[in-house]
Amino acid sequence: GEDVEQSLFLSVREGDSSVINCTYTDSSSTYLYWYKQEPGAGLQLLTYIFSNMDMKQDQRLTVLLNKKDKHLSLRIADTQTGDSAIYFCAENPSRNKLIFGAGTRLAVHP
Amino acid sequence: DARVTQTPRHKVTEMGQEVTMRCQPILGHNTVFWYRQTMMQGLELLAYFRNRAPLDDSGMPKDRFSAEMPDATLATLKIQPSEPRDSAVYFCASLKTANSPLHFGNGTRLTVT
Repeated sequence: GEDVEQSLFLSVREGDSSVINCTYTDSSSTYLYWYKQEPGAGLQLLTYIFSNMDMKQDQRLTVLLNKKDKHLSLRIADTQTGDSAIYFCAENPSRNKLIFGAGTRLAVHP
Repeated sequence: DARVTQTPRHKVTEMGQEVTMRCQPILGHNTVFWYRQTMMQGLELLAYFRNRAPLDDSGMPKDRFSAEMPDATLATLKIQPSEPRDSAVYFCASLKTANSPLHFGNGTRLTVT
């Protein structure tokens, strides 16, 4: 079946690194995505990784993919208060459909 | 910067009333999705269209919900009659081609009393 799981909460100190983890079930997903949702707004695409890659880095963001374990992680370096949001992991088991996790609420404190 | 536009942003209505939510996808995007977000259920896919034709509406309660795309620039989601349990944020999203990123609107926050 199609299922994406994430831990619900993460609290970090400003300046530290944040690591948000996700597991998915469908190995046929071509891409895996991370979306960010700020209060009162829709989901915004943060980054994505092609399924044949292990790692993707984009400024402060690093995505790691372990396809064997179906595990995806998002690392945010030097976490800032503006990074406080809900982060959603998503897989695309079919080309036109995304399945989202429940979201991880990241709280950044001074 | 092209955006998905949803109206209204907020809607408060009484139980039993009809609710219509509208979405304007990004120009040139041929696939449109409706999602519902609640604290309890998270983000649920209700229905989606490609080239205005419904592809999957299995996530939608058929007795009271209906989704349509009268033209390529407008998607609608109707609830009739509305119930308190329909209170949620409803998101529209669109994408250009398969595997391209999904772009979300800012949602319609619906409260049914």
